[in-house]
Amino acid sequence: AQRVTQPEKLLSVFKGAPVELKCNYSYSGSPELFWYVQYSRQRLQLLLRHISRESIKGFTADLNKGETSFHLKKPFAQEEDSAMYYCALRNSGGYQKVTFGTGTKLQVIP
Amino acid sequence: DAGITQSPRHKVTETGTPVTLRCHQTENHRYMYWYRQDPGHGLRLIHYSYGVKDTDKGEVSDGYSVSRSKTEDFLLTLESATSSQTSVYFCAISLGRGTDTQYFGPGTRLTVL
Repeated sequence: AQRVTQPEKLLSVFKGAPVELKCNYSYSGSPELFWYVQYSRQRLQLLLRHISRESIKGFTADLNKGETSFHLKKPFAQEEDSAMYYCALRNSGGYQKVTFGTGTKLQVIP
Repeated sequence: DAGITQSPRHKVTETGTPVTLRCHQTENHRYMYWYRQDPGHGLRLIHYSYGVKDTDKGEVSDGYSVSRSKTEDFLLTLESATSSQTSVYFCAISLGRGTDTQYFGPGTRLTVL
């Protein structure tokens, strides 16, 4: 079975402070991991994926297989980063099953 | 928006009535998914499809059925709606190749009284 855990329901930080949204996973195979973001009144959209090793809107995430983690980080939070963030895992098998975590609401305080 | 639409966008119904939600895509993507989004639970997979007439259950499939008779349409049916099925329902699609990701629809807000 695959599982994604996001331990924080709400994370409040001041503008300009560093941000780290935690994500841990459980999966027996080789996972594909993603971060999705949902801004207020908008649909979910992809933020970044581990395989691309990219930085989007200043966010980065590194897959740590030893700790089974995929934490999302940004050095300096901006007010426009306030949103709901979901970590997701897709299995590497044939049927592309995707499991989401429960989400973390990031609130950036001006 | 990857050519995904959901209908209806809002629905209020009564306990015990059947409800069908529609997801329509114009991208010819192979994979389609239905999720429900609830506070404290995030997104939970209800059912997904990996091709026409090929579907499988997700983690919260009880009380729901799906059908996919055409590539572009994926229907979610609540045979007899209950108040616990009040939620926001999201459809998603993906190509299912390489590093492809999911693209989400706008959501359907369903209230069961």
